[in-house]
Amino acid sequence: EAGVTQFPSHSVIEKGQTVTLRCDPISGHDNLYWYRRVMGKEIKFLLHFVKESKQDESGMPNNRFLAERTGGTYSTLKVQPAELEDSGVYFCASSPRTSGYTEQFFGPGTRLTVL
Amino acid sequence: LAKTTQPISMDSYEGQEVNITCSHNNIATNDYITWYQQFPSQGPRFIIQGYKTKVTNEVASLFIPADRKSSTLSLPRVSLSDTAVYYCLRINAGNMLTFGGGTRLMVKP
Repeated sequence: EAGVTQFPSHSVIEKGQTVTLRCDPISGHDNLYWYRRVMGKEIKFLLHFVKESKQDESGMPNNRFLAERTGGTYSTLKVQPAELEDSGVYFCASSPRTSGYTEQFFGPGTRLTVL
Repeated sequence: LAKTTQPISMDSYEGQEVNITCSHNNIATNDYITWYQQFPSQGPRFIIQGYKTKVTNEVASLFIPADRKSSTLSLPRVSLSDTAVYYCLRINAGNMLTFGGGTRLMVKP
């Protein structure tokens, strides 16, 4: 069975441009999470979807970030406009629909570089 | 939110047992402790999880004392392929993971 996939693997854009990251979770996983590691910092939680609904978006840094999960399958994370401090690695993870404390399966990440 | 604290790096040799200790003095009653492993250019991968006492699976053991202020991940007989970053994490009932800085383990021949 395929794991979590993310596209693109790398993205280099200029400040002020827009970038959209995509995550395809493991089939059948209702829970989808976004995390990111910016330069020199720890991996931090961004938000959590249960199917198409945002369960927790407390980690979203500001309104330049928009996450969607239409239809409860794949998810996109759009950054508009991108700033230099957005550079880092963006991870997506998914887990089955259970009551909590569930193993999360991570994708390989998208490395975003904003010049 | 209180984070976990663990050594920045550790060195070991093939065949040795490695113990990585993590401090989480202010862990919430409803939080579990979970450990993930990460290789370069990959996402973190689940190793083991527990609440209290000892948990063992096919790759590791996790020891959490009664006061739950710390935990120790034990990797038996490491090999070169165990060189990676190991994260000690809190996980809450909402399944949110809180990452710390991780421990970079280097296994030498």
